Amino acid sequence: DGGITQSPKYLFRKEGQNVTLSCEQNLNHDAMYWYRQDPGQGLRLIYYSQIVNDFQKGDIAEGYSVSREKKESFPLTVTSAQKNPTAFYLCASSIDRDQPQHFGDGTRLSIL
Amino acid sequence: AQKVTQAQTEISVVEKEDVTLDCVYETRDTTYYLFWYKQPPSGELVFLIRRNSFDEQNEISGRYSWNFQKSTSSFNFTITASQVVDSAVYFCALSEDNYGQNFVFGPGTRLSVLP
Repeated sequence: DGGITQSPKYLFRKEGQNVTLSCEQNLNHDAMYWYRQDPGQGLRLIYYSQIVNDFQKGDIAEGYSVSREKKESFPLTVTSAQKNPTAFYLCASSIDRDQPQHFGDGTRLSIL
Repeated sequence: AQKVTQAQTEISVVEKEDVTLDCVYETRDTTYYLFWYKQPPSGELVFLIRRNSFDEQNEISGRYSWNFQKSTSSFNFTITASQVVDSAVYFCALSEDNYGQNFVFGPGTRLSVLP
C-alpha cells in the first residue's frame, strides 16, 4: 500500500545528543514536509522540500536539520541546539504544494 | 499575523447534534487553497477536503458539509448528526499560490462528541 512511514514511533533523547527521525514515502510525491506539534497546539512547519536536493526553512527551523538525497526520503535531525525538543513530529508529502498533504503516523520525541 | 483562525478551541456536543466548526483565513493572494484535516486520538492527520479560491460552491459529503464564503473569508465545516467517532481535533489550513508560501495550519478545534 502507498503511504508515508515514520520511524520510530517513540524516541528518547539524552541531553546533548542528536537524533534522527525517519520519513519515507512511496507515493511518488515531489514535496515533503516536517511539522512539530506541541500538546494542545496546531502544527508548525520546520522544513519543507519541493524537490530532491532542495529544501527550505519553515517557521521554526532553528535546532533542526534535514536532507533530501532521494525523492522517497526526508529525514529530520533534531540537534543538541534544539533546547526544547519534546514534541510530536509529523512528516507529510504532497504532489505539489497546492495539493492535499498525506501524513505519517508521527514520532513522539521525549527528553531523558 | 495569523493567517488561519479557528476561534473555537474546544467544543462538546451530545451525539446526534449538529455542530459547526469555524475557520477564518487571511490572504492577499487571489488564488489559494483551503483544506480541512481531522486528527483522531491516534495522532495521524486525515485529509477531508480541498477547495480552491475560485470555487465557492458548498460541498456535502455524507454527514459532512462545508460552507465557503469569500466575502467573509470563511470556510466553515458542519457535521450533521454527530457521532462519537467524530471526536477529534480538526484543523483548517491555507495554501497560498505565491512562491515560498506553504501550508499554514490553524490552531485546531477539539471536538468531543458525548454518547
